[in-house]
Amino acid sequence: GENVEQHPSTLSVQEGDSAVIKCTYSDSASNYFPWYKQELGKGPQLIIDIRSNVGEKKDQRIAVTLNKTAKHFSLHITETQPEDSAVYFCAASGIYNQGGKLIFGQGTELSVKP
Amino acid sequence: ETGVTQSPTHLIKTRGQQVTLRCSSQSGHNTVSWYQQALGQGPQFIFQYYREEENGRGNFPPRFSGLQFPNYSSELNVNALELDDSALYLCASSLKAGGSGIGEKLFFGSGTQLSVL
Repeated sequence: GENVEQHPSTLSVQEGDSAVIKCTYSDSASNYFPWYKQELGKGPQLIIDIRSNVGEKKDQRIAVTLNKTAKHFSLHITETQPEDSAVYFCAASGIYNQGGKLIFGQGTELSVKP
Repeated sequence: ETGVTQSPTHLIKTRGQQVTLRCSSQSGHNTVSWYQQALGQGPQFIFQYYREEENGRGNFPPRFSGLQFPNYSSELNVNALELDDSALYLCASSLKAGGSGIGEKLFFGSGTQLSVL
């Protein structure tokens, strides 16, 4: 069935270091891959997304890469700051899925230490 | 902050009861999706409503039902509550321009925390 695996489950970095979170997906028809940041007591916030016709996308300190052949995608955060501390979720949608249906990974709890 | 609002923010019910959760979509959006997020897990798709009809459904039993109103707001109803229904219920709105809406950006509200005792 449809599945998204996310690693690591927890990640601790020093302020200023880079953080990388990796996801793999099972549905080869998936063509949209968003990343969400969820802070305590809040809903997931869309931070960046990528479509299957693009291999890489960058927005300031955040970048996402996609390897469709290997069916994996990654989130890269550079120059991390304490306010980046949160739970990050990757997700995948697919052309044959119902519109609006995202399959989420299990989440990565990122801790940025000052 | 998104323009998606959910009510109530917290709710406590007992097993067997029924519950209704409400969601107002972001201005300019015409589609609402509902997700269930258990503690420590990623959200799971329940269903989506577009043009006041269910547009797709995840692996949830029929006791989970919904509505969408002409102003694009939505309700999630859960009958015969079970202990495992305890979770954060998230509403997400999006703009579906037509077709299957592949890759539409979802914007989530802060959720309703439901506890079933």
